Amino acid sequence: SQQGEEDPQALSIQEGENATMNCSYKTSINNLQWYRQNSGRGLVHLILIRSNEREKHSGRLRVTLDTSKKSSSLLITASRAADTASYFCATGIRGSWGKLQFGAGTQVVVTP
Amino acid sequence: DAGVTQSPTHLIKTRGQQVTLRCSPISGHKSVSWYQQVLGQGPQFIFQYYEKEERGRGNFPDRFSARQFPNYSSELNVNALLLGDSALYLCASSLGTGGGDTQYFGPGTRLTVL
Repeated sequence: SQQGEEDPQALSIQEGENATMNCSYKTSINNLQWYRQNSGRGLVHLILIRSNEREKHSGRLRVTLDTSKKSSSLLITASRAADTASYFCATGIRGSWGKLQFGAGTQVVVTP
Repeated sequence: DAGVTQSPTHLIKTRGQQVTLRCSPISGHKSVSWYQQVLGQGPQFIFQYYEKEERGRGNFPDRFSARQFPNYSSELNVNALLLGDSALYLCASSLGTGGGDTQYFGPGTRLTVL
């Protein structure tokens, strides 16, 4: 079963626009990680946010975490064609050591 | 520095056969996890190993087994293959500090069962 649920399932934007995707989860977490996947290849780690953090930035990425609502968002600013990929949130469940639970992902297409 | 490596890249097997997938973690990482990703879905956790001990197991049948070697590399074995085992198998490595680590993924092994 999937712990996280990403929304929207698919997103189509033009270069230069911002892309926002959301992730909701069900149980208490240690951390939440966002990954990018290009065309069914390996996952690239983007950012990790811990349960006691509310916001983190990395380059053009901004992640927020609201543990009271059990939700997170990933914002990609000034998107580029190279950002076209599937984006997954993965939660590190409290008490389950290093196991990550993934959502079904958001497919993002950035057109030039 | 080398990232997580997996072999083989692609594999084609027939139903009932057995398969072994291999993973080498990032140097210095002591934990290895395995995930199965079926087309169109997110990865599903199969196993996690730390210091050669199993630390977690997902909801997969006993046909799936794994082990970790003294050099922290790992193998995933799947017996009696079914068509539904066709998927991308991903290996991830982490330092292994118990739940708060970043997990770094390899490129995956694409398994096709005919």
